[in-house]
Amino acid sequence: AQSVTQLGSHVSVSEGALVLLRCNYSSSVPPYLFWYVQYPNQGLQLLLKYTTGATLVKGINGFEAEFKKSETSFHLTKPSAHMSDAAEYFCAVSGEGGGADGLTFGKGTHLIIQP
Amino acid sequence: NAGVTQTPKFQVLKTGQSMTLQCAQDMNHEYMSWYRQDPGMGLRLIHYSVGAGITDQGEVPNGYNVSRSTTEDFPLRLLSAAPSQTSVYFCASRRYRALNYGYTFGSGTRLTVV
Repeated sequence: AQSVTQLGSHVSVSEGALVLLRCNYSSSVPPYLFWYVQYPNQGLQLLLKYTTGATLVKGINGFEAEFKKSETSFHLTKPSAHMSDAAEYFCAVSGEGGGADGLTFGKGTHLIIQP
Repeated sequence: NAGVTQTPKFQVLKTGQSMTLQCAQDMNHEYMSWYRQDPGMGLRLIHYSVGAGITDQGEVPNGYNVSRSTTEDFPLRLLSAAPSQTSVYFCASRRYRALNYGYTFGSGTRLTVV
């Protein structure tokens, strides 16, 4: 069975500061990993994904994440926070091979940007 | 492309009423799924389908029915609504056996059961 743990239901950073959102996963098969962002009253938008290959993945809006197999982690970072980054962020895992399994989500981290 | 379209966007039901949440996609995706989102719980899989005529249960299927008669449509039925089903519901689709393309999500249906 797959599971995802996001450390911190709320993270607050100052505008211009580093953003670090933590995600750890468990999976019995090589995982596919995703970060989604949800702005208020909207659906989910894919930020970035890791499937195979390079472990440092770059996404939209200046975000990136690094897959570390030894640490079973996929933390999301952005060097300099912007007010528009305030949103809910979800880490998700799916099994390899495109089988019938769906996404397993973490509980989400609400990112607050302080002016 | 419209992507994944969900209707309605908002709905209020009385306990015991039934209704169908609609989901349609125009990307010829074989895989479609329904999630519910509750505060502090993330998104949880309700039901999914890997093609027309094939459906299966996810993590929280009780109280919900689905069917898949066409590739494009995947409706979610609440047979007898309960307050515990108050939630935001998302439909998502992808190409089957193509996880590297990721999922496309609809904009959601906010359901309140009173």
